[in-house]
Amino acid sequence: QKEVEQNSGPLSVPEGAIASLNCTYSDRGSQSFFWYRQYSGKSPELIMFIYSNGDKEDGRFTAQLNKASQYVSLLIRDSQPSDSATYLCAVTRMDSSYKLIFGSGTRLLVRP
Amino acid sequence: SQTIHQWPATLVQPVGSPLSLECTVEGTSNPNLYWYRQAAGRGLQLLFYSVGIGQISSEVPQNLSASRPQDRQFILSSKKLLLSDSGFYLCAWSWTNHYGYTFGSGTRLTVV
Repeated sequence: QKEVEQNSGPLSVPEGAIASLNCTYSDRGSQSFFWYRQYSGKSPELIMFIYSNGDKEDGRFTAQLNKASQYVSLLIRDSQPSDSATYLCAVTRMDSSYKLIFGSGTRLLVRP
Repeated sequence: SQTIHQWPATLVQPVGSPLSLECTVEGTSNPNLYWYRQAAGRGLQLLFYSVGIGQISSEVPQNLSASRPQDRQFILSSKKLLLSDSGFYLCAWSWTNHYGYTFGSGTRLTVV
C-alpha cells in the first residue's frame, strides 16, 4: 500500500465548475497535510496546508481533512483553464517531523 | 525574503560520468534541506534530507550521495551515473514541515 494515494486522472472539468481532488494516506499519525500545484515542466508550489479536521478556505481553494477516514481533499471553485496542472498531496510521517511524503499527483484539465 | 537557487536547469550526461548538483538558500539560517527526484510521470521521491551542517540522512540506497558543506548549501553528487538516474531533481527547504517546503526550480537530468 502506498503511503499517499491519489487518482492519477486526468480529471476533466468545464470552466467555472468545482474540481474535487482526493487523497488518502496510510500513516494514522500524520500531523500535517499539504496540497501542491505543479505545472508541466515546473517545480511544485504550495497552495494549501491543513492540520485540523474540517475545512480550510483560501480564495477559490478549500482543503478538507478527515483524520478518522485518513482522507484529504482539495476543492477548486470556479475552475479556470489556468488551474490545469498536476496537484500533489503531501503528508508528514509520524516518525519524523522533517519529511513530507508525496502522492503521485492528480492531473486536472479545465476545459474552456 | 527567502529564496532558493538550484542549478543547472538542464543537464545531459553520459552513463558513467560524475554528477554535481548544487542548491543554495538565501534569507534564512539553519534551514532543513531536501533533495527529491521525480521520474517522468511519477511522484516525488525523497532522496536525502539534512537538518544541519554535515548531517545527512538517506532515504533510499542508490547511486547518489549528498553533502551539506555550509549552512545554506546542499549538494547532490554521483561518481558514476546510471541510465536510471535520469529525472527531475528538486531541492527544497523548510523551517519545520508544518509550513511545507519551498522548492527550487529543479534540474532536469538526462543520462544518455
